[in-house]
Amino acid sequence: DVKLVESGGGLVKPGGSLKLSCAASGFTFSSYTMSWVRQTPEKRLEWVATISSGGSYTYYPDSVKGRFTISRDNAKNTLYLQMSSLKSEDTAMYYCTRDREGFDYWGQGTTLTVSS
Amino acid sequence: DIQMTQSPSSLSASLGGKVTITCKASQDINKYIAWYQHKPGKGPRLLIHYTSTLQPGIPSRFSGSGSGRDYSFSISNLEPEDIATYYCLQYDNLYTFGGGTKLEIK
Repeated sequence: DVKLVESGGGLVKPGGSLKLSCAASGFTFSSYTMSWVRQTPEKRLEWVATISSGGSYTYYPDSVKGRFTISRDNAKNTLYLQMSSLKSEDTAMYYCTRDREGFDYWGQGTTLTVSS
Repeated sequence: DIQMTQSPSSLSASLGGKVTITCKASQDINKYIAWYQHKPGKGPRLLIHYTSTLQPGIPSRFSGSGSGRDYSFSISNLEPEDIATYYCLQYDNLYTFGGGTKLEIK
């Protein structure tokens, strides 16, 4: 079975940094594009970042471009999201997703709270 | 950027009834729309992709249709476990979600 398990969330002050991880199992991780999606406290879903299967290509919306970096380690079957210059509007539940026909599998999420 | 306008934001229906949710894209998305069910404490579950293709294991009570900018999603024969929030997603050009529809059972 496909399994995605996020970790690394927490409470961070504005301007701070945090790195999320996602451990993948049950499929050939290195064959899939992967993404991060977040759900805001207002329950909006927002796409955050995407990385190609080999890691060569990355994509971001303007809201996080230059502040967030998606990466992956295919040897460890792990996806990462490095977040810096965090703002209160980054407060959300962050989900790791597998990209196929949209996002076909999601983890349970990890929570980031940005507050002083 | 493509915008997705989803409606209604909430609805209430009876067990055994039918509901329909719509999503309107700001431009043609070439049928690249998916529909998700989201329950508290879980990751969203993909129900339908490419407008009308059901994911394996998803009952035929769920259906989708549309083209161009206009798409709809329906649930028939409503069951208690259908209580959730539903979202559309366009994946024709990067990714944009609709605002969500919270479904309650009367």
